[in-house]
Amino acid sequence: DAGVIQSPRHEVTEMGQEVTLRCKPISGHNSLFWYRQTMMRGLELLIYFNNNVPIDDSGMPEDRFSAKMPNASFSTLKIQPSEPRDSAVYFCASSPWTGGYTFGSGTRLTVV
Amino acid sequence: RKEVEQDPGPFNVPEGATVAFNCTYSNSASQSFFWYRQDCRKEPKLLMSVYSSGNEDGRFTAQLNRASQYISLLIRDSKLSDSATYLCVVIPSSGSARQLTFGSGTQLTVLP
Repeated sequence: DAGVIQSPRHEVTEMGQEVTLRCKPISGHNSLFWYRQTMMRGLELLIYFNNNVPIDDSGMPEDRFSAKMPNASFSTLKIQPSEPRDSAVYFCASSPWTGGYTFGSGTRLTVV
Repeated sequence: RKEVEQDPGPFNVPEGATVAFNCTYSNSASQSFFWYRQDCRKEPKLLMSVYSSGNEDGRFTAQLNRASQYISLLIRDSKLSDSATYLCVVIPSSGSARQLTFGSGTQLTVLP
C-alpha cells in the first residue's frame, strides 16, 4: 500500500498565480480531508469529502480556495489567485468508514 | 475558546524522565479521542487512541476524563526518539461528521 500520495512535495510560486495541489487517497478509503498547517494556527480542516461528495467546506478560508474530488482516487485543492498568507503545509488525509486516518506527506507551499 | 486546547510547551526533559501532557476539549458531545505524533517537517501519525477506561501501549499511557473533558498522555522512561510534537485530537461527534479537530500541539525534546 503506497499510502496517501500528495504532489507536489514543494511548490514555490509568485503572488497572483494559480496553485493546484493533488492528492491520491488510499484505495478503498471513502473519506478524504484537506488540512492546512501553519505555525500560528496549527492544523486546520479546510474541507472533507465522503464518497467523493463535499460534506463540509466551512474551513475553506475564502473564495480563492476550491476543492474537487472527481473520483474516488483523486482530489485537488486549488488556490486562485495565490497570496503570501497562503504559505503553509497542506496535508491530505484519507479514512475508511471504520476509521483510522492516514495523512500524506504534505505539500509545502511558499507564495512570494 | 478553542475546541481543543493543549499545554503549549515546549517540554525539555532528560532521557529516562517521565513526562505528561494535558489536553481539554470544549464539546461535551465529542465521541472519539486520539494522540497523534508529528515529527519535524513530517505528517501527523496516529500514536494511540484514548478510551474511557484508559489504555496503555508500552511506555505510553492515555487517559480520558469525560466529566472534566480532559485527556492526558503519559510517557515513561522517555527516549531520544520520543522528541516530537504531540497533538491531541478529537472527533467532535459521531456519524458522518468524522473530521479530526487538532490541538495546537505540545513540543517535546528529550535530551541526552
